[in-house]
Amino acid sequence: RKEVEQDPGPFNVPEGATVAFNCTYSNSASQSFFWYRQDCRKEPKLLMSVYSSGNEDGRFTAQLNRASQYISLLIRDSKLSDSATYLCAVKKSGGYQKVTFGTGTKLQVIP
Amino acid sequence: EADIYQTPRYLVIGTGKKITLECSQTMGHDKMYWYQQDPGMELHLIHYSYGVNSTEKGDLSSESTVSRIRTEHFPLTLESARPSHTSQYLCASSHHRGFQETQYFGPGTRLLVL
Repeated sequence: RKEVEQDPGPFNVPEGATVAFNCTYSNSASQSFFWYRQDCRKEPKLLMSVYSSGNEDGRFTAQLNRASQYISLLIRDSKLSDSATYLCAVKKSGGYQKVTFGTGTKLQVIP
Repeated sequence: EADIYQTPRYLVIGTGKKITLECSQTMGHDKMYWYQQDPGMELHLIHYSYGVNSTEKGDLSSESTVSRIRTEHFPLTLESARPSHTSQYLCASSHHRGFQETQYFGPGTRLLVL
């Protein structure tokens, strides 16, 4: 089983729709969680960190469910510019732990 | 905007050549990483470093080697390039701060080995 798993998609949604992605992780010692965005043929960039209590940044909401070991990303009022691949990333506690990335979920927002 | 740089951005080279992909960051980050990513595919960690003189192999076996003589510099070398090495190579760096550790990625080097 992979350490971090995501549905690869693609998710094709109309403009203005709300879309949600989940990402499951297998190691209960995981302590840090992130969502990255990667545009086609570009490098990944941090979208937002995921805090235990959940957090929001504009149209984006990230949540953590430790009991079921998954994180989620909700995008409201989808824009064409939201089309990208969304990578989740997970890190165990400790300074010498690596960040593990999921395979990414592709989102295509259509007019 | 992240201060992490990669050169060259694009490289076309013949089989058997030795190549070095450069990666530098000016953020003073102690950790640096090399990932390999084919188009539309997942990131694969091939090397990482936790500081000067520290290098480790990643999750994906790679014929490349790395060195970390200076904090800001983390070059990747292929002694003899092969067509199977054709891919995009992404360098990243991060600084551990509590639980939060954001990785900043360079723009990548697209390598084509003929």
